Amino acid sequence: GAGVSQSPRYKVAKRGQDVALRCDPISGHVSLFWYQQALGQGPEFLTYFQNEAQLDKSGLPSDRFFAERPEGSVSTLKIQRTQQEDSAVYLCASSNISGGNQPQHFGDGTRLSIL
Amino acid sequence: DAKTTQPTSMDCAEGRAANLPCNHSTISGNEYVYWYRQIHSQGPQYIIHGLKNNETNEMASLIITEDRKSSTLILPHATLRDTAVYYCIVRVAKAAGNKLTFGGGTRVLVKP
Repeated sequence: GAGVSQSPRYKVAKRGQDVALRCDPISGHVSLFWYQQALGQGPEFLTYFQNEAQLDKSGLPSDRFFAERPEGSVSTLKIQRTQQEDSAVYLCASSNISGGNQPQHFGDGTRLSIL
Repeated sequence: DAKTTQPTSMDCAEGRAANLPCNHSTISGNEYVYWYRQIHSQGPQYIIHGLKNNETNEMASLIITEDRKSSTLILPHATLRDTAVYYCIVRVAKAAGNKLTFGGGTRVLVKP
């Protein structure tokens, strides 16, 4: 497909477990963003990659959250020792150049539920 | 990035034009106005953006006032599939890391 793909679409985990969420951006897109969306709220920025470099991780809520993009394409968001407040939809977005006014294209997200 | 203010919700009649307002009175000269929408259970979808001139694409038109302190997104012929939350976002076009800051948006319900 031509769009941003995220997997899994749904993830249920027990409190304390580690989870990994995957994002396949649009081919050739340099910029990749992760956002967190709580129920009934707008998305909130977590972190940003330009190619394989993580240039902004100011939105990551704690050191339990870790993101990587080792080859500048696929990205993984990992959450360690999950807690109930981590329950949210995690959205990935990509854009085709490193800056300017290019729009971001979003995937449909991973809905994470922590029991 | 400048703050935006949108109505919490609005209803529109199917087939009629939907006019969605947004206030951004503290916008700076180098900040663009972006509109995204989010249909239930989907990720945000880019609609349109502009700096100071009015813009039109296949989805919508964006009208920006001359002083740039407000804008209106126009859906020319609303359909039931346009029911969504619409976000107006103001953002600087800089070299990298152009994260989006979402507010509460406007929940638009298109009625038959």
